[in-house]
Amino acid sequence: EVQLVESGGGLAQPGRSLRLSCTTFGFTFGDYAMSWFRQAPGKGLEWVGFIRRKTYGGTTEYAASVKGRFTISRDDSKSIAYLQMNSLKTEDTAVYFCCRELYSGTYYVDYWGQGTLVTVSS
Amino acid sequence: DIQMTQSPSSLSASVGDRVTITCRASQGISNYLAWFQQKPGEAPKSLIYAASSLQIGVPSRFSGSESGTDFTLTISSLQPEDFATYYCQQSSSYPRTFGQGTKVEIK
Repeated sequence: EVQLVESGGGLAQPGRSLRLSCTTFGFTFGDYAMSWFRQAPGKGLEWVGFIRRKTYGGTTEYAASVKGRFTISRDDSKSIAYLQMNSLKTEDTAVYFCCRELYSGTYYVDYWGQGTLVTVSS
Repeated sequence: DIQMTQSPSSLSASVGDRVTITCRASQGISNYLAWFQQKPGEAPKSLIYAASSLQIGVPSRFSGSESGTDFTLTISSLQPEDFATYYCQQSSSYPRTFGQGTKVEIK
């Protein structure tokens, strides 16, 4: 069974950092691209960023709102994806979801984690 | 960025009704569109990818179609567990963008 489990969320002050982890089970992690999405309280879904599998260079894409502050990485030996969040802003407050990506002409999310809440407040 | 305009923003329907939700892209995205379902307090669930392909385990009462830049999610016979918010999302280019969501409520 495919499972994605996020951890590392919590309360952080503006300007500080947090690192989220996405521990995966039930599939060959290195065969898949991974992505992060977020949802601010009471709002819709927002794409954060994406990392390709190592076979395709492990390259990344980011939303403009987080580019230069957030970094996505992966450790295929541990089957974990990471979201390093630096210079946090109050508007980064959201539930963050880790997702597995299915390739079918382009990439689509097929599985979601349960999410982890990040609150940025002084 | 590609804008996704979803309509309606909410609807009321009864169990057994046929429900249709529409999503329009601001430019051509081929068939690179996905649909998601989200219930309150839960993570989203993937329903459809490539405009009309069902994700594994999704009931056949859900279907998707496309016509140019217009995309449709149809629930053929609404079930109690289908009351939720539905989102479309384009995967044609970065940044990926979502529609604003359609809340399906019980009539």
